[in-house]
Amino acid sequence: ETGVTQTPRHLVMGMTNKKSLKCEQHLGHNAMYWYKQSAKKPLELMFVYSLEERVENNSVPSRFSPECPNSSHLFLHLHTLQPEDSALYLCASCPGVGYEQYFGPGTRLTVT
Amino acid sequence: QKEVEQNSGPLSVPEGAIASLNCTYSDRGSQSFFWYRQYSGKSPELIMSIYSNGDKEDGRFTAQLNKASQYVSLLIRDSQPSDSATYLCAVNRDDKIIFGKGTRLHILP
Repeated sequence: ETGVTQTPRHLVMGMTNKKSLKCEQHLGHNAMYWYKQSAKKPLELMFVYSLEERVENNSVPSRFSPECPNSSHLFLHLHTLQPEDSALYLCASCPGVGYEQYFGPGTRLTVT
Repeated sequence: QKEVEQNSGPLSVPEGAIASLNCTYSDRGSQSFFWYRQYSGKSPELIMSIYSNGDKEDGRFTAQLNKASQYVSLLIRDSQPSDSATYLCAVNRDDKIIFGKGTRLHILP
């Protein structure tokens, strides 16, 4: 256990559904990240939050909407997804931007 | 030029031998360097971090950094089948972590 939890672990949703992914870190870290990892592809950085402020948005489609209500929690709201959005979504936290990151177990998302 | 480059592999190493994983990076201003291990279907797990030139050892793992050559490597001694995984190199440039695509390592029993 890394001290970063993600729920749900698996999610199947239709293209018209709205769902949210949740990440919680128990490490007292100040920065949190969302990554997408598709089959046989490298990690793709989606969003970075530092002290609850979004500091990076890597040209992610608007059907993905992040929310960081406090330094321990991070959400990724999903709506009107496409089948190509099926992937492993990983949350990570670190003491500050640029330091070593600790990953949660991920949410395996399937869009039907 | 890709910012962080790794040979995708697979790299096959006999059990008990030394596995050597290499990573090069393009930005001379990079400040810190990380190695992660990722088993299939799982999330990346931090193995080592290294910040200054030279070697850093932790158990069977040794990270080596050469900033002049813009090169960082990971050595795994006494390789075990459980070391079979994808190893990701990550580099910190201006507070931004850049990941390589990873090297698949296969330890042959």
